[in-house]
Amino acid sequence: DQQVKQNSPSLSVQEGRISILNCDYTNSMFDYFLWYKKYPAEGPTFLISISSIKDKNEDGRFTVFLNKSAKHLSLHIVPSQPGDSAVYFCAASGTYKYIFGTGTRLKVLA
Amino acid sequence: NAGVTQTPKFQVLKTGQSMTLQCAQDMNHEYMSWYRQDPGMGLRLIHYSVGAGITDQGEVPNGYNVSRSTTEDFPLRLLSAAPSQTSVYFCASSQLAGIRKTQYFGPGTRLLVL
Repeated sequence: DQQVKQNSPSLSVQEGRISILNCDYTNSMFDYFLWYKKYPAEGPTFLISISSIKDKNEDGRFTVFLNKSAKHLSLHIVPSQPGDSAVYFCAASGTYKYIFGTGTRLKVLA
Repeated sequence: NAGVTQTPKFQVLKTGQSMTLQCAQDMNHEYMSWYRQDPGMGLRLIHYSVGAGITDQGEVPNGYNVSRSTTEDFPLRLLSAAPSQTSVYFCASSQLAGIRKTQYFGPGTRLLVL
């Protein structure tokens, strides 16, 4: 039973446009959500996070939106750049466990 | 600061062999964890620790042992390797307290079991 789902395995976006990556979760006990970016042959690196008491968090070009009633979060990247091409993982945390989604491969076309 | 380090980077084992994947962090983080990454499966939590002497199971603990004798180190042991354990393994650490529970990942160990 997958508690965190990323239903889009891949996404292609033109440079300069908005990239929207989606993530759904099933466990209402999750209270903290994170996005990680991963390049090939490297470990994931932290991108942005949001607590369950908020519905939006911004950091530069990256914004995460949380809809608790729908158990859905999304990552917006504006404007998208070729260097953003990577695999993006969402993760959810309750107490001590971090549960990751299966990832979305983003390709930003120049 | 070196952050989170993992050794080895790559390892080939035969079925039934044992080995230990090493993980160390120099950030004085209480929380450490091990994940495996498989195609189409994302990152799955194997074991985690909230401090020296305290460990617990994650989503996929079978076939793996861990111990935490110091804050800095969190080794992952495969007692009898199986081909199903072929994967990329990532170690991560974070603070326990505070709102910002960001995990920092190591570079990974690629394991091939023949």
